[in-house]
Amino acid sequence: NAGVTQTPKFQVLKTGQSMTLQCAQDMNHEYMSWYRQDPGMGLRLIHYSVGAGITDQGEVPNGYNVSRSTTEDFPLRLLSAAPSQTSVYFCASSGLAGRYNEQFFGPGTRLTVL
Amino acid sequence: GENVEQHPSTLSVQEGDSAVIKCTYSDSASNYFPWYKQELGKRPQLIIDIRSNVGEKKDQRIAVTLNKTAKHFSLHITETQPEDSAVYFCAASGTGGFKTIFGAGTRLFVKA
Repeated sequence: NAGVTQTPKFQVLKTGQSMTLQCAQDMNHEYMSWYRQDPGMGLRLIHYSVGAGITDQGEVPNGYNVSRSTTEDFPLRLLSAAPSQTSVYFCASSGLAGRYNEQFFGPGTRLTVL
Repeated sequence: GENVEQHPSTLSVQEGDSAVIKCTYSDSASNYFPWYKQELGKRPQLIIDIRSNVGEKKDQRIAVTLNKTAKHFSLHITETQPEDSAVYFCAASGTGGFKTIFGAGTRLFVKA
């Protein structure tokens, strides 16, 4: 199993550009989530999904869109990048909905917006 | 929504000493409390977790305690070693572990 994978590892954008951060897992996990990590602020939840076709907002959803068309994939879209979105982004997944399960994190994507 | 506060932000101990990190949460409906360790440049990884029906859990040198009445929980690391140096995050979530909210993290330095 590859676990949770994320692409790209690094990305530099200009203000106003759009892009999609990719996240995939091969563990048949129902629950997937996106976090951003900024110095001194821990991991802040952006969006999460409890299964294909179901998504919901986290703590800091503004400026980000998500969709979940398959169990395996959970892409994060930045429609118009802003310097405030410079951060490290982590995708995570965990097992069956309704149970307390460890979240497995991907390796992260370091995004810089100029 | 849930809010998790974590203290201290930085902790420095001598090798062999104990380290304690404390967290408080705001949502009384939260009932799952995991702790994650993140080494420099790496992804967070679960080290221990506790559910609301348990007051304490131990795994070798690591223990976690939970006080639901006061809405706080703590991580205890005994006999610290240099490889324990990392950032530690507490977190809280509701039923099913959904919408996990993290604390701001504690950077632990263990001096040899």
